[in-house]
Amino acid sequence: GDSVTQMEGPVTLSEEAFLTINCTYTATGYPSLFWYVQYPGEGLQLLLKATKADDKGSNKGFEATYRKETTSFHLEKGSVQVSDSAVYFCALSANQAGTALIFGKGTTLSVSS
Amino acid sequence: GAGVSQSPRYKVAKRGQDVALRCDPISGHVSLFWYQQALGQGPEFLTYFQNEAQLDKSGLPSDRFFAERPEGSVSTLKIQRTQQEDSAVYLCASSAGTGNYNEQFFGPGTRLTVL
Repeated sequence: GDSVTQMEGPVTLSEEAFLTINCTYTATGYPSLFWYVQYPGEGLQLLLKATKADDKGSNKGFEATYRKETTSFHLEKGSVQVSDSAVYFCALSANQAGTALIFGKGTTLSVSS
Repeated sequence: GAGVSQSPRYKVAKRGQDVALRCDPISGHVSLFWYQQALGQGPEFLTYFQNEAQLDKSGLPSDRFFAERPEGSVSTLKIQRTQQEDSAVYLCASSAGTGNYNEQFFGPGTRLTVL
């Protein structure tokens, strides 16, 4: 079945460091891909998405490109801030109406000043 | 309120008790999902409603789990005869449409602890 694999955490960085969180997926067809973020004490919220191959999703300085050839959707940010400390989840949704999100296990990011 | 709300936020149950978890989706949202999130894991799908119709319940772990959305808005997830392995955060999400590209908006979750 469809699945998402993301790098194990925690990831610990200093402020202004470059961030990459790897995400690969297995799916039949052409899923939509998402990154969700969960800040401490808050609910899951959508960070960015891409719905077809070679699309780049971006938001708040974060970017991820839908790479069909490598089945990847890696999250990157050029310069992290302390406020980016959170748990990041990669997810996919199969290409049919009403399908649920399939999530990775999440990666905890901790940024220190 | 503008977002998805869930109640109660925390629930402690003794093993064998029945519990009911409520979800108020964003007004007008057609799709409603329930997920279960174990500690240190990503959310896992339980069930999906399109308006009042339960179109997919393939993720419900046993027949002790039951969900309903009788008027196409508020939804309730019921767990009968709770077991310790039911301890988790239960998340509700709603979306405006039915396409897989539609953003799902998540509630804060209900943390269930079964003693």
